[in-house]
Amino acid sequence: DIQMTQSPSSLSASVGDRVTITCRASQGISNDLAWFQQKPGKAPKSLIYAASSLQSGVPSKFSGSRSGTDFTLTISSLQPEDFATYYCQQYDSYPYTFGQGTKLEIK
Amino acid sequence: EVQLVESGGGLVQPGGSLTLSCAASGFTFSTYWMSWVRQAPGKGLEWVANIKPDGSEKYYVDSVKGRFTISRDNAKNSLYLQMSSLRAGDTAVYYCARLGSPSGWSDYWGQGTLVTVSS
Repeated sequence: DIQMTQSPSSLSASVGDRVTITCRASQGISNDLAWFQQKPGKAPKSLIYAASSLQSGVPSKFSGSRSGTDFTLTISSLQPEDFATYYCQQYDSYPYTFGQGTKLEIK
Repeated sequence: EVQLVESGGGLVQPGGSLTLSCAASGFTFSTYWMSWVRQAPGKGLEWVANIKPDGSEKYYVDSVKGRFTISRDNAKNSLYLQMSSLRAGDTAVYYCARLGSPSGWSDYWGQGTLVTVSS
């Protein structure tokens, strides 16, 4: 199985900050990587697919990139509604696997 | 508007069975791969199963193989997850999701249904 190692597990930031979350795949997954946002008690929401493509309707403050087996989600100009938990997921091969999540909290 | 509405969750005893349903609307259900993803209380997301549009291919996480069956009824725009031999470790919110490309990522999610396995 492909392991997705997500870091950090938690992150404290202020409104207006720019933050970066990283996911490392245990083997090559091409660009088959998605990022999701989840707020307490709610379903996950798709943000990014194919490593760097923005899901329709998602603001451009969210961006994704890839370097080898390292993937990054960047959120610019944090707003109160951005504080949530973020997950990466590989869909290159079965079983699909998620990172353990990054909880983004207000400083 | 894409809508996915799960139902069928509840309390079940260990060793019992339960079938979850997901009613889809707002898109051509018969042309999309579909998926089930679960989340244990206070834990992260875990992919459970995928099914091809015509139902001819199904994939499962190892921990549910032989116990869970994913299926669909394209005439009813519905996705199902039959669960048997349930264990305490299967306790989770189960989400139905549409895949945005053939066997790709989940672009739309339902609100989830809670399954609790306990005596």
